[in-house]
Amino acid sequence: GIQVEQSPPDLILQEGANSTLRCNFSDSVNNLQWFHQNPWGQLINLFYIPSGTKQNGRLSATTVATERYSLLYISSSQTTDSGVYFCAGRVNAGNMLTFGGGTRLMVKP
Amino acid sequence: EAGVTQFPSHSVIEKGQTVTLRCDPISGHDNLYWYRRVMGKEIKFLLHFVKESKQDESGMPNNRFLAERTGGTYSTLKVQPAELEDSGVYFCASSQVGLVYEQYFGPGTRLTVT
Repeated sequence: GIQVEQSPPDLILQEGANSTLRCNFSDSVNNLQWFHQNPWGQLINLFYIPSGTKQNGRLSATTVATERYSLLYISSSQTTDSGVYFCAGRVNAGNMLTFGGGTRLMVKP
Repeated sequence: EAGVTQFPSHSVIEKGQTVTLRCDPISGHDNLYWYRRVMGKEIKFLLHFVKESKQDESGMPNNRFLAERTGGTYSTLKVQPAELEDSGVYFCASSQVGLVYEQYFGPGTRLTVT
């Protein structure tokens, strides 16, 4: 199966700062999703982005499928952005999502 | 539209006991998946249903785990007998069949085996 690596593993920000989270894949994927796991453990869908760029408020994501990576941008971070961010990809031949190890974000007031 | 729901939210059982987790997918979603995250590890795929049929169960750890989806609606995941290493969070996800394959996750069931 594919390998998914996320960086950085941990990130501490001051409220209002911007950040970039990265997700690298060992193989081509045709489904790429970003999730935010909130303090209650729920996985919240952020983006479905197999390629291109999408924006949703202060968050945006870019996937460069040919180079096998995706980026999640968080601008003007807020304390409520804290939690773990996961990316996950699906290869052509399968249906399962393979998850990265996550980036644990803490935004301090 | 209701999201994916899971029951119970938390279960604490003793080693050797049986536990059954339930997942109700988003209405109209024929694809249903089970994943789990054990302590300190990544979220891992367990199995995939299309309607009532098991499409892929390559992630099931052993034969103590049994998943069913009778009638192609809700699904259950039974662990019998439970072992300490089964502790973790069990997630269910669902998606439509088609070109857009976004998976939506439930809140998870936190299983603690003591």
